[in-house]
Amino acid sequence: GAGVSQSPSNKVTEKGKDVELRCDPISGHTALYWYRQSLGQGLEFLIYFQGNSAPDKSGLPSDRFSAERTGGSVSTLTIQRTQQEDSAVYLCASSLTPISDTGELFFGEGSRLTVL
Amino acid sequence: DQQVKQNSPSLSVQEGRISILNCDYTNSMFDYFLWYKKYPAEGPTFLISISSIKDKNEDGRFTVFLNKSAKHLSLHIVPSQPGDSAVYFCAADLLLKAAGNKLTFGGGTRVLVKP
Repeated sequence: GAGVSQSPSNKVTEKGKDVELRCDPISGHTALYWYRQSLGQGLEFLIYFQGNSAPDKSGLPSDRFSAERTGGSVSTLTIQRTQQEDSAVYLCASSLTPISDTGELFFGEGSRLTVL
Repeated sequence: DQQVKQNSPSLSVQEGRISILNCDYTNSMFDYFLWYKKYPAEGPTFLISISSIKDKNEDGRFTVFLNKSAKHLSLHIVPSQPGDSAVYFCAADLLLKAAGNKLTFGGGTRVLVKP
């Protein structure tokens, strides 16, 4: 596709359930990032992929969070045993590899997660 | 510890006037700075950037100023238009590294341009 695609756009779940969020980056972009934006907050870095490997997982808030990327393309962010504080908009972005000349990231529209 | 701060959560300006958004950072290793614009229910989109070797970069109505000694940057929008109403995020990057473009974002400033 022309842009970064994320699904679902909205997800409401009950506390304790697992959720999976999907990201399909721009074709040809081998760098992929997950960020999240909690209500009234800025964007918080979660994890970065270069190809299928994740050299930087430093932003994952707990071991309930994991992400994988297969085929150097689609990525899935999984949150296990969701908590109410996990409620946020999860944004995926991609960029040219290895380091974009402009530092520009291309963001998807985000997946809004609400944990009841 | 917030490495990038936008101390004004909101800004209201009349159409045609100048909007000035401010951003401060603490990490002196940051060498690239970007502004992103975000409309509701959309992802952020890149607006303008500046390298630490420059002190000004201009693109149409948008100009970014960088004061390295003060660790401060600002975005000027002139003249402001109603379509500029959005949340603006300041971001900083370490280009001289091996781990991709991991941007550190500020908390955002919501701009409202009144007709």
